Amino acid sequence: NAGVTQTPKFQVLKTGQSMTLQCAQDMNHEYMSWYRQDPGMGLRLIHYSVGAGITDQGEVPNGYNVSRSTTEDFPLRLLSAAPSQTSVYFCASSYSGTPGWAYEQYFGPGTRLTVT
Amino acid sequence: GDSVTQMEGPVTLSEEAFLTINCTYTATGYPSLFWYVQYPGEGLQLLLKATKADDKGSNKGFEATYRKETTSFHLEKGSVQVSDSAVYFCALSGDTGNQFYFGTGTSLTVIP
Repeated sequence: NAGVTQTPKFQVLKTGQSMTLQCAQDMNHEYMSWYRQDPGMGLRLIHYSVGAGITDQGEVPNGYNVSRSTTEDFPLRLLSAAPSQTSVYFCASSYSGTPGWAYEQYFGPGTRLTVT
Repeated sequence: GDSVTQMEGPVTLSEEAFLTINCTYTATGYPSLFWYVQYPGEGLQLLLKATKADDKGSNKGFEATYRKETTSFHLEKGSVQVSDSAVYFCALSGDTGNQFYFGTGTSLTVIP
């Protein structure tokens, strides 16, 4: 199993450009999510999905778009990049939660994005 | 809403010292609690977890006990090694089982 893979590893964008961060998992997990990690802020949830065709917003969704057409893939789109979106982005997946159960989230290696 | 508060870092310890990283939480219902570790340049990995009150999670010499009365899940290790240098995140998963809430992370450096 490759686990959770993310591409690219590094990216530099100019303000106003758009791009898609790719995320794929081969563990047949229903739940997938995107986080951003900023110094002193921990991880903040951007968007998540509990299955193909179902997505929802997290804590910081503005400026980002997601879709989930297959179980394996969960791309994150930056519509018009801004310097405030400079961050490290992590994708994670897990089995879908059932109240009372605690499924481990598996993380990808991250994408380091700089917006100038 | 649900949230996690963990002690500020950075923390610097000598090898073989005792480690405690404090974590407290706010949640409705009965959350599950986790500690994740992030080594430089990598994603987060699960270190240990606990799903109900008084459960003790343990792994690689690290331990944490789910204390409902104090809403805490402090991470401890009796004797740290240089290889334990990393950032440690406390997290909770709420009643729905899906959404995770992370603390801000505590950076640990262990010096020989």
